Amino acid sequence: EAGVTQFPSHSVIEKGQTVTLRCDPISGHDNLYWYRRVMGKEIKFLLHFVKESKQDESGMPNNRFLAERTGGTYSTLKVQPAELEDSGVYFCASSQGQTGAYEQYFGPGTRLTVT
Amino acid sequence: GDSVTQMEGPVTLSEEAFLTINCTYTATGYPSLFWYVQYPGEGLQLLLKATKADDKGSNKGFEATYRKETTSFHLEKGSVQVSDSAVYFCALKSGGSNYKLTFGKGTLLTVNP
Repeated sequence: EAGVTQFPSHSVIEKGQTVTLRCDPISGHDNLYWYRRVMGKEIKFLLHFVKESKQDESGMPNNRFLAERTGGTYSTLKVQPAELEDSGVYFCASSQGQTGAYEQYFGPGTRLTVT
Repeated sequence: GDSVTQMEGPVTLSEEAFLTINCTYTATGYPSLFWYVQYPGEGLQLLLKATKADDKGSNKGFEATYRKETTSFHLEKGSVQVSDSAVYFCALKSGGSNYKLTFGKGTLLTVNP
């Protein structure tokens, strides 16, 4: 069974540009999460999908970030326009069940560098 | 709000040395506690967990005991191997949320042969 995959593994963009990160969860997992680790800091929760619905987006830093999960399968996280402080590693995770109480399986992350 | 404080690294040990990585937490209610590990080039993997006070989580020779009185969940291993080199994250899910993980900053462990 394939794990959570993320694309790209690394992205380098200039300030003001747009970047879209993609996450493919484990097949059959209704719950999908985005987290972010800024260098030297904690991994922080960004948002949680159940199928295609956003259940909690309380961790999204500002309106330059847009997450979608059309059809309840893969998800994208778009940053537009990117700022220097958006640099970090973006992790995606997925879990089974309807409530999010099950183990979260993480992808390898996308390292975003904004110059 | 919820928070996790863990020992800052990096930690460098020789093979077969004893490992302790300290972790303390602040949370509402009765959280579940976790240790995740990230090996180079891979995603975070759940290493062990404990869901109530005095529970001991264990896996791959690692152990951690949920200590409510000291709000701690220290990770220990009696004899580390080179293959244990990774970043270790302490995390919790508070009683108020059954899905949102709150992480510490991570501790980089390097084990030398």
